[in-house]
Amino acid sequence: DAGITQSPRHKVTETGTPVTLRCHQTENHRYMYWYRQDPGHGLRLIHYSYGVKDTDKGEVSDGYSVSRSKTEDFLLTLESATSSQTSVYFCAISEHNQPQHFGDGTRLSIL
Amino acid sequence: RKEVEQDPGPFNVPEGATVAFNCTYSNSASQSFFWYRQDCRKEPKLLMSVYSSGNEDGRFTAQLNRASQYISLLIRDSKLSDSATYLCAVNIMKTSYDKVIFGPGTSLSVIP
Repeated sequence: DAGITQSPRHKVTETGTPVTLRCHQTENHRYMYWYRQDPGHGLRLIHYSYGVKDTDKGEVSDGYSVSRSKTEDFLLTLESATSSQTSVYFCAISEHNQPQHFGDGTRLSIL
Repeated sequence: RKEVEQDPGPFNVPEGATVAFNCTYSNSASQSFFWYRQDCRKEPKLLMSVYSSGNEDGRFTAQLNRASQYISLLIRDSKLSDSATYLCAVNIMKTSYDKVIFGPGTSLSVIP
């Protein structure tokens, strides 16, 4: 399996608190992605990165920010969590024109 | 119209059956194509890439039709362990980055 670690694996927090999810890779892949997956919606891209400090928005980026200060780490931040952000979050990595490989996911519950 | 669409499913088939899934994409600039399998409460895992000439991996066969803009996945001799959701993915390569779009997935249940 591709060397991708997501942390935390599970988190429960309250509305209005900041939350940061971490994705760490040991594959030195250029591309990193954050998705959320909800029943009835499939995988939806939040943000992606195509290099250190190079990021762009996906289809559901509102309320989320990302940072990539080094190749191996891609952070997803919810500045002020809302209940609508309760979801399963997946990180993925890839090289150019290659399939993505996913981390185990983070289950986030916002009460 | 969504960029990538799949058969809505669910598909409920008996063991040993052959089942086929289709996936259509709207962007003719799409360059590469993949099928993923996702088990309940797990991450998507790459099942196979889809090549222009079609490709086979054991009981699984993938086909690409660029003219009609669809890909397909055929599963022969279905096993109980094939029960999962199958996602197609389409890579639209931009100048400086890849853009990958996933379909919503098709659920398969193989019944004893």
